[in-house]
Amino acid sequence: DILMTQSPSTLSASVGDRVTITCRASQSIHSSLAWYLQKPGKAPKLLIYKASTLENGVPSKFSGSGSGTEFTLTISSLQPDDFATYYCQQYYEYPVTFGQGTRLEIK
Amino acid sequence: EVQLVESGGELVQPGGSLRLSCAASGFTFSDHYMDWVRQAPGKGLEWVGRTRGKANSYTTEYAASVKGRFIISRDDSKNSLYLQMNSLKADDTAVYHCVRVGGCRGATCHYGFDIWGQGTMVTVSS
Repeated sequence: DILMTQSPSTLSASVGDRVTITCRASQSIHSSLAWYLQKPGKAPKLLIYKASTLENGVPSKFSGSGSGTEFTLTISSLQPDDFATYYCQQYYEYPVTFGQGTRLEIK
Repeated sequence: EVQLVESGGELVQPGGSLRLSCAASGFTFSDHYMDWVRQAPGKGLEWVGRTRGKANSYTTEYAASVKGRFIISRDDSKNSLYLQMNSLKADDTAVYHCVRVGGCRGATCHYGFDIWGQGTMVTVSS
């Protein structure tokens, strides 16, 4: 199975900050990567697919980059609504696997 | 409105069986692969499995942790997805989400999960 490792596991930041979350795959997944945001008690929401393509309706403050084994999600100008847990996911091969999550908390 | 609504979750004893359902609306259900993803309390996301559509003979894929115990099926005439869970274990306790796989939009295809249901809770305990 492809292991997806996110760092950091927890990230403390302030409103207005720009933050970056990293996701590493244990083998190349080309650009078959998605990012999700999940708020407590809610279903995850797709933010980005194909590593860098913004899902319809997702604000441009979110951006993704990378290919192969290393990927990043950057969120600019953090707002209170952005503090949540973020997951990366590879869909290059079965089984589909997720990172362990990065909890973005208010400093 | 594009929507997925799960049902069927409940408390079940270890070794028991349960069938979850997912009702889809607002999109052409038969055009999409459909998956199940679960999340144990306080834990991360775990993919359970997938059913492809008619064009791919409704073939399925499963996570190793559920293979041989869970069966995913779909009824395109009812816009419904199902998860038959047998030989349930305590480790199967989780919220189960029905998800739509993105598919192709024009010339662009991807297999991210673009629509999620709110989930249904399955508790396996004696």
